[in-house]
Amino acid sequence: QVQLVESGGGLVKPGGSLRLSCAASGFTFSDYYMSWIRQAPGKGLEWVSYISSSGSTIYYADSVKGRFTISRDNAKNSLYLQMNSLRAEDTAVYYCAREPRLDYMDVWGKGTTVTVSS
Amino acid sequence: QSALTQPRSVSGSPGQSVTISCTGTSSDVGGYNYVSWYQQHPGKAPKLMIYDVSKRPSGVPDRFSGSKSGNTASLTISGLQAEDEADYYCCSYAGSYTFPWVFGGGTKLTVL
Repeated sequence: QVQLVESGGGLVKPGGSLRLSCAASGFTFSDYYMSWIRQAPGKGLEWVSYISSSGSTIYYADSVKGRFTISRDNAKNSLYLQMNSLRAEDTAVYYCAREPRLDYMDVWGKGTTVTVSS
Repeated sequence: QSALTQPRSVSGSPGQSVTISCTGTSSDVGGYNYVSWYQQHPGKAPKLMIYDVSKRPSGVPDRFSGSKSGNTASLTISGLQAEDEADYYCCSYAGSYTFPWVFGGGTKLTVL
């Protein structure tokens, strides 16, 4: 079945780095746009980053621009988010999501938790 | 890009109908027919309920419907059931190449 599984979350100190991964299965990964969305504890959803199916087009939210890097490996059916210079406000559950088009997300992973704290 | 405006909470009794509003601007909700709605139960991932303002993905009950008027989109849930109690988020394409999507702040639906 169609599935997205995130991994790589954990506890990191401010200023540290983490790399999140999202493993896709059950569909042709290279046909779809992908995004990372996060949710801080007790807060709403915040779109973080987007990558086109080929990887040629990338967008970032202003809050992470210059610190986060999205990438994908279509041969490995995987999406990544390299997070550097982490701040306390980056603490959240990070979801990867599939986008059939540039306007909605039809499949979501269960999320991976990132905690930035000293 | 500012978040879309949703009521913090709504409530209804089983069998009743409730409507959740989502207000944006002419740069997002009003400018495109690309509004989507997501349901999120506590501790779970969001689930797509409506896309393109009023389309339902396969498997979503027809009790859920979407509409839009001007800069405000709405999600209506008819025949409320206990399992509908959840948080609901709207999202709109914003057309900006630096910030293509904007979410609403979320609405907590309580089934009384």
